[in-house]
Amino acid sequence: AQKVTQAQTEISVVEKEDVTLDCVYETRDTTYYLFWYKQPPSGELVFLIRRNSFDEQNEISGRYSWNFQKSTSSFNFTITASQVVDSAVYFCALRPNNNDMRFGAGTRLTVKP
Amino acid sequence: EPEVTQTPSHQVTQMGQEVILRCVPISNHLYFYWYRQILGQKVEFLVSFYNNEISEKSEIFDDQFSVERPDGSNFTLKIRSTKLEDSAMYFCASRGAGGAAETQYFGPGTRLLVL
Repeated sequence: AQKVTQAQTEISVVEKEDVTLDCVYETRDTTYYLFWYKQPPSGELVFLIRRNSFDEQNEISGRYSWNFQKSTSSFNFTITASQVVDSAVYFCALRPNNNDMRFGAGTRLTVKP
Repeated sequence: EPEVTQTPSHQVTQMGQEVILRCVPISNHLYFYWYRQILGQKVEFLVSFYNNEISEKSEIFDDQFSVERPDGSNFTLKIRSTKLEDSAMYFCASRGAGGAAETQYFGPGTRLLVL
């Protein structure tokens, strides 16, 4: 089965707090891709990061960082020093070695001033 | 920066009517997709298209749906006889081939409301 689980439905933090969004995936494929997308209130899907299954290096991009652990099938996303503009729904997605991208249910992040 | 575009941004239609949602993928991309997102729910895969044919489709993509690449730039999704439950945001996406091109870039979506 190909599946993505984002157990956190909603998270609320105060500005400047760090927050981690969890993502756990299931796949039988040995080659696959993992993604995070941001969906702000305006509705579009904004690509944040892609990881392939052979690259377990963690990545940092400004206030964003990602922790990919194949041993636990997790691809967690951390926002450091959160800002109000980070408020959005964040989707984790899995693309196995075919074309069918599976999205998690999303985590709604609210950052309060 | 190149981007995927979609028209219209909003469409309201009566149940039973046909609708065509249009997308212009990024110009050098080879793979094209449609997804839908019912309000407040997750994004669901509908269909992928490569080399002028459907490569994969989900169980949602039944006989009421069809896709077409009528020319070198447009990629359309047709719903033949809309149902109330077709109301959703429909996203088009495209990607290149291999390496960094594995990323699917999404259009801004078309919000379809079936009355």
